[in-house]
Amino acid sequence: DQQVKQNSPSLSVQEGRISILNCDYTNSMFDYFLWYKKYPAEGPTFLISISSIKDKNEDGRFTVFLNKSAKHLSLHIVPSQPGDSAVYFCAASAEGTGRRALTFGSGTRLQVQP
Amino acid sequence: NAGVTQTPKFQVLKTGQSMTLQCAQDMNHNSMYWYRQDPGMGLRLIYYSASEGTTDKGEVPNGYNVSRLNKREFSLRLESAAPSQTSVYFCASSAGPPAGQYFGPGTRLTVT
Repeated sequence: DQQVKQNSPSLSVQEGRISILNCDYTNSMFDYFLWYKKYPAEGPTFLISISSIKDKNEDGRFTVFLNKSAKHLSLHIVPSQPGDSAVYFCAASAEGTGRRALTFGSGTRLQVQP
Repeated sequence: NAGVTQTPKFQVLKTGQSMTLQCAQDMNHNSMYWYRQDPGMGLRLIYYSASEGTTDKGEVPNGYNVSRLNKREFSLRLESAAPSQTSVYFCASSAGPPAGQYFGPGTRLTVT
């Protein structure tokens, strides 16, 4: 029973265009959401997060949108760069459960074509 | 600033052998975590430690034990390795929201 789902295993975009990565969740107790980026043979790197009290958070080229009623969040990367090519994981946590341990989606592999 | 370090980077074990994966962080974080990642799946929590001296089970704790040796170090032990434990293991630490968890580079374990 996957509580965090990333239904697109891969995404390919042209350099300079927008990349949109999607994530759905089922647990209504989740109140904190994060995106991680992972290169091969490295650990995941924290990118951006959003609390459930917000619907948008922006950090440079990265913006995360949260739609609580749809239990959906998305990561927008604008403009996309070849160095953004990596696997992106969506993760979520609920206060009081496992001291903020994360539940991860299965990841989306982003390829940015030069 | 090393962040989160893990040793070893690679390990091959035979079924039934034991080993300990080491993890250390130098960011003065209270919380530490062990995850495993299998092909096509996200990371799954094995154990976590909210603070020195405390540990709790995560989603997939069977076959593992942990020790929070001090604030910096959190080790994961496989007492009798099984092929189903072939995976990449990641250690992480956290200071809590809004910051995320910081991950080590991983240990790739193969059990034959």
